[in-house]
Amino acid sequence: GQNIDQPTEMTATEGAIVQINCTYQTSGFNGLFWYQQHAGEAPTFLSYNVLDGLEEKGRFSSFLSRSKGYSYLLLKELQMKDSASYLCAATDSNYQLIWGAGTKLIIKP
Amino acid sequence: NAGVTQTPKFRVLKTGQSMTLLCAQDMNHEYMYWYRQDPGMGLRLIHYSVGEGTTAKGEVPDGYNVSRLKKQNFLLGLESAAPSQTSVYFCASSQGQGIYNEQFFGPGTRLTVL
Repeated sequence: GQNIDQPTEMTATEGAIVQINCTYQTSGFNGLFWYQQHAGEAPTFLSYNVLDGLEEKGRFSSFLSRSKGYSYLLLKELQMKDSASYLCAATDSNYQLIWGAGTKLIIKP
Repeated sequence: NAGVTQTPKFRVLKTGQSMTLLCAQDMNHEYMYWYRQDPGMGLRLIHYSVGEGTTAKGEVPDGYNVSRLKKQNFLLGLESAAPSQTSVYFCASSQGQGIYNEQFFGPGTRLTVL
C-alpha cells in the first residue's frame, strides 16, 4: 500500500533548530515535496527532493534517503512565524502526490 | 497576477442540496486538481485535469463531478450533498505533473453539510 507518516505535533523554541521527519511508501516514487500550511490558509511550496542528499534554501533544508524511504525538513533559527503545519508529499506511479497528515509545529518564545 | 482563486470561501448546505465550487487560475497551467482536507488526514485528491476538456478520477471521486471547459477554470460539483462531504476543499494547479512541478493552491472553500 501507499503511506506517508510524519509526527502529529512538535514543539520548539524560538531561535532553535527543529527536524521534522517523514517516512514514505509509494509505488513508482520519483520525488518528495515539503509544503507549509498556516492555520486557515492554503499550503505553500517549500522544497522538493529527487536525489539522495540535502537541499538547502535559506533557513530551511530538506533531506532525502531513497533507500530508506525517509526524508526530513530542517528549520534553523526558528521564528514565531514558522508556527504552522508542515506537509510531506511523495509522488506515486501516476505522478500524483500522496500526502501526509502534516506536522503541526508550535514555536514557543 | 492573482494565482489560484476559489469561490465561495464558505458555504453551508443542507443534506441533499447541490452546489458548484469554482476554481480559476491565471498562470496558464495545464494541470488542475481538487483536493479535500479533513482533520488528521492528508490532502486527498478528488479529481484532476491534465488539460482543457479532460478530467480524471482521483482517490476519492464518489459524490463529486468536475468539468474543465476552459483552461483557466476547474469546477467541482456536488449533486446531492451529504454530511460526509463536510470538509475544506482546495483547488491547485501546476504546469506539469509529478516532481519538478510544484502545485499552487487556492485559499480553500470551507463547506459544512448539515
